[in-house]
Amino acid sequence: RKEVEQDPGPFNVPEGATVAFNCTYSNSASQSFFWYRQDCRKEPKLLMSVYSSGNEDGRFTAQLNRASQYISLLIRDSKLSDSATYLCVRGDSGGYQKVTFGTGTKLQVIP
Amino acid sequence: DAGVTQSPTHLIKTRGQQVTLRCSPKSGHDTVSWYQQALGQGPQFIFQYYEEEERQRGNFPDRFSGHQFPNYSSELNVNALLLGDSALYLCASSLADYQETQYFGPGTRLLVL
Repeated sequence: RKEVEQDPGPFNVPEGATVAFNCTYSNSASQSFFWYRQDCRKEPKLLMSVYSSGNEDGRFTAQLNRASQYISLLIRDSKLSDSATYLCVRGDSGGYQKVTFGTGTKLQVIP
Repeated sequence: DAGVTQSPTHLIKTRGQQVTLRCSPKSGHDTVSWYQQALGQGPQFIFQYYEEEERQRGNFPDRFSGHQFPNYSSELNVNALLLGDSALYLCASSLADYQETQYFGPGTRLLVL
């Protein structure tokens, strides 16, 4: 199993739709997880951190399932501006934080 | 508040050459990490610098080396360039105690011919 695995997509969804991405990880000792957003030819930017209880930020909800070793990102009421690649990131435990990125899931919101 | 800056933005080299990429961290940050992002892939961790020392390294050969200066800025050096080194090189800065939150620079696009 890859350290962090994502469906590359693309996910093509109409404006206003709800879309969900999953990401699986292989290291059960991993402590923290994140979703980053990367626009075409730009740098990744932190979208949300995901902790044990999950969290919500406006139209975005992130969940963590430790038993099944996956995290999810739910986007409600999709906007054209949500079109981007969403990178799942695993932070390893230990004193020195090393993060591992997934390959990303591409989202295209269609008018 | 200046964010992470990288130079140059683009670079073209030929096989066998050497390259140096530069990064200035976000104001107040003391930790710099370097990533390689090939087309269609997620960023791959190269190494991390803190207090002018490399303290973590990913699965990259010794051709990849780095340095951190007293002002926290950093350089990535790649020797004996291969075609496969063509990628976007990203620098990310963070605070040592809050490494989970990394801020990325715009990257340097390296093309090796």
